[in-house]
Amino acid sequence: DVKVTQSSRYLVKRTGEKVFLECVQDMDHENMFWYRQDPGLGLRLIYFSYDVKMKEKGDIPEGYSVSREKKERFSLILESASTNQTSMYLCASTFLGQIYSNQPQHFGDGTRLSIL
Amino acid sequence: LAKTTQPISMDSYEGQEVNITCSHNNIATNDYITWYQQFPSQGPRFIIQGYKTKVTNEVASLFIPADRKSSTLSLPRVSLSDTAVYYCLVEEAAGNKLTFGGGTRVLVKP
Repeated sequence: DVKVTQSSRYLVKRTGEKVFLECVQDMDHENMFWYRQDPGLGLRLIYFSYDVKMKEKGDIPEGYSVSREKKERFSLILESASTNQTSMYLCASTFLGQIYSNQPQHFGDGTRLSIL
Repeated sequence: LAKTTQPISMDSYEGQEVNITCSHNNIATNDYITWYQQFPSQGPRFIIQGYKTKVTNEVASLFIPADRKSSTLSLPRVSLSDTAVYYCLVEEAAGNKLTFGGGTRVLVKP
């Protein structure tokens, strides 16, 4: 069974801090994704990566960056955290090198981030 | 760019069939429709995926009319454990877009 692990379930940070959210998958998936989830808005794609050192912007990349130095690990970085980045963050992964692979996404259980 | 819309919530009773309709008026020819289930404190989990007509698996059916501007997830004979939030996703083949609906909160009552 695929396992996607997010390093923290809950995280509290202060405005202006640089924040790192980590995600690791154990199934050698090429694609990895970062979403934020807010009530009534569903999941919105922040960034995705289809290979090591490759990244593509999603719908809401502003204020975020990502890093993929190893295939199994995808990091989301909040360069200077702001209160409007308080949210649930979800990481996901899929097979194949195309975002439209039509393979189901496998999600982690999320990191609930609060910015004070 | 497909905008994906679904009802905010619906209630049902054990043993009933639940149908959740998702509207995606601007869906493109090569786009697929996928449904996910999410329980509290967990990430979404894949339920079913389809392109057209009807798809059925061991947990659900997905009905997609010919114009593909909507899709309906059907959960047969629900139980209390089906209480969850259900998300519709349109995966767009052009422009690298994944568009989730806002989620439908389904409450199954005894």
